[in-house]
Amino acid sequence: GENVEQHPSTLSVQEGDSAVIKCTYSDSASNYFPWYKQELGKRPQLIIDIRSNVGEKKDQRIAVTLNKTAKHFSLHITETQPEDSAVYFCAASRPGGSYIPTFGRGTSLIVHP
Amino acid sequence: DSGVTQTPKHLITATGQRVTLRCSPRSGDLSVYWYQQSLDQGLQFLIQYYNGEERAKGNILERFSAQQFPDLHSELNLSSLELGDSALYFCASSVDASGPYEQYFGPGTRLTVT
Repeated sequence: GENVEQHPSTLSVQEGDSAVIKCTYSDSASNYFPWYKQELGKRPQLIIDIRSNVGEKKDQRIAVTLNKTAKHFSLHITETQPEDSAVYFCAASRPGGSYIPTFGRGTSLIVHP
Repeated sequence: DSGVTQTPKHLITATGQRVTLRCSPRSGDLSVYWYQQSLDQGLQFLIQYYNGEERAKGNILERFSAQQFPDLHSELNLSSLELGDSALYFCASSVDASGPYEQYFGPGTRLTVT
């Protein structure tokens, strides 16, 4: 089955800095990669996703890049703010498996004011 | 608010007991997913239902079962509970199962087994 590795497990940055979270996946058939943000005590929420026919996608301060050959994808957050502090999960999914996501273990992002 | 509701919010029970967790999907969503989130295992997919039928199965123990009713709400039944079953249980819904469609998560049920 699919295996998703996520690094780092904890990331501490100063407000205004950029943050990068990296994930690798094992199943070359995976073609959909969502990212979820989970604030403390809250539900996971989709913040951005990318499909394998696209190399990069941006949404304001958030961007995701995908390298299909290397089987890795990354989340980039620019101009971080304290409200970006949360746990971020990457996931990979494939057709034929109902697009059930396999999640990474999560990255705890702490943005210091 | 995602539109997905889950009850109860918290549940404390003893080992060996059985509990039922309930989920109502967003209006119009036909697909329901159940996930278990624990500190050591992360977010794990348990099972998916689509319009009343089981669609996909993940790492769901034999002691656990689920169903989706004609009104599309779903229940997750956990029996012969063990200490290790203590976790956050999330339900999510999406409009369809042919995907990929965004999954909307409910607020979760925190289960504590003592």
